[in-house]
Amino acid sequence: SYVVTQPPSVSVAPGQTAKITCAGNNIEGKDVHWYQQKPGQAPVLVVYDDNVRPSGVTERFSGSNSGDTATLNITGVEVGDEADYYCQTWDIRTYHWVFGGGTKLTVL
Amino acid sequence: QVQLQQWGTGLVKPSETLSLTCAVDGGSFGGNYWSWIRQAPGKGLEWIGHIKHWGGTIYNPSFKSRVTISEDTSKRQSSLKLTSVTAADTAMYFCARGNTSSYFFDSWGQGTLVIVSA
Repeated sequence: SYVVTQPPSVSVAPGQTAKITCAGNNIEGKDVHWYQQKPGQAPVLVVYDDNVRPSGVTERFSGSNSGDTATLNITGVEVGDEADYYCQTWDIRTYHWVFGGGTKLTVL
Repeated sequence: QVQLQQWGTGLVKPSETLSLTCAVDGGSFGGNYWSWIRQAPGKGLEWIGHIKHWGGTIYNPSFKSRVTISEDTSKRQSSLKLTSVTAADTAMYFCARGNTSSYFFDSWGQGTLVIVSA
């Protein structure tokens, strides 16, 4: 089955830009989606189809996908952005939903 | 606005069967992928499987033959059964709606913590 890999942690100072990567073989050929999960809560979709924000999600969240890496960008990081972030895609050959291992974003 | 409300037994003995149900309020029931996802304590998200009305079920091979996902369209519910549970099955279990156009999860249940312990 298709595998995607995320860094376990990313740290950034308030106001800076956080970049969270999701690596997979030729991932640019797939749609990548991103979820934010805060402690004790269900995940929330923050970006879908590589770079589309659902209604209600701040424009500080954006995404890109090229080559073997998809990236979630969070500009003007705030303390409230501290959370775990998961990328997800779909393996069309097996009909499996694939999650990355998650990245813990720490705001210093 | 779709809302998913889930419930089930929170404490299951080893070797017994875990059972959870997810009710869908709002939106269309048919034509979506109704999925189950779990998260072990301190770990990441793990997709268990899905059911699609008229589309059948697909399961994560990691669960081999232990898992069954079913639906009751008249009640707008999806159910998960996981047999022969062990301590490794202790996790928060989520139901979620999978979008059929781009294959992402756009609605999630609140989660049910299941502990496997004698």
